[in-house]
Amino acid sequence: AQSVTQPDIHITVSEGASLELRCNYSYGATPYLFWYVQSPGQGLQLLLKYFSGDTLVQGIKGFEAEFKRSQSSFNLRKPSVHWSDAAEYFCAVGRGGGYQKVTFGTGTKLQVIP
Amino acid sequence: EAGVAQSPRYKIIEKRQSVAFWCNPISGHATLYWYQQILGQGPKLLIQFQNNGVVDDSQLPKDRFSAERLKGVDSTLKIQPAKLEDSAVYLCASSFQGGLYGYTFGSGTRLTVV
Repeated sequence: AQSVTQPDIHITVSEGASLELRCNYSYGATPYLFWYVQSPGQGLQLLLKYFSGDTLVQGIKGFEAEFKRSQSSFNLRKPSVHWSDAAEYFCAVGRGGGYQKVTFGTGTKLQVIP
Repeated sequence: EAGVAQSPRYKIIEKRQSVAFWCNPISGHATLYWYQQILGQGPKLLIQFQNNGVVDDSQLPKDRFSAERLKGVDSTLKIQPAKLEDSAVYLCASSFQGGLYGYTFGSGTRLTVV
């Protein structure tokens, strides 16, 4: 069965600082990987996704993520954080096949301080 | 395009009462999902529809939860009778060709069972 681990429950960064959110997955085959962001009181919004090809994926809002098969990781990065990035971030892994199933991690809450 | 619509946004009920949530997915999206998000956790899939057929309901507590998607468009999720542990945000999402292309989520319904 597929699973996702987000080891950091809560992260605080200063505005303008760089950000890296960790995500480790468990899946037997090549995974489909996603990062979603959830602002308070809102649903989840897709930031980026990885299926195959270039292991560095660019997403919306200046985010990027790198797939590292050897480490079973898909970490999310942003070079300079803005106060509006404060939200909860979810990593997710999916499997292919007829009807794809996507499993979400438990999330990392990002706090941005001035 | 219009997003995924959900109603109501908030609901407070007493335990053992019943409640229903409604979802209208993005036009043309064949796949519809209901997720349960308990505070501090990632979304957990309850049920997945492909058009008006159920694809995956393995984590749906069928003794109290039911869902339907008539005519392959709108969907309702019902809980009867509700328990305290059902307090959560219920998210509806839809996708065009399955979750591996990314979901579009609604804003969710926050249910509080007292």
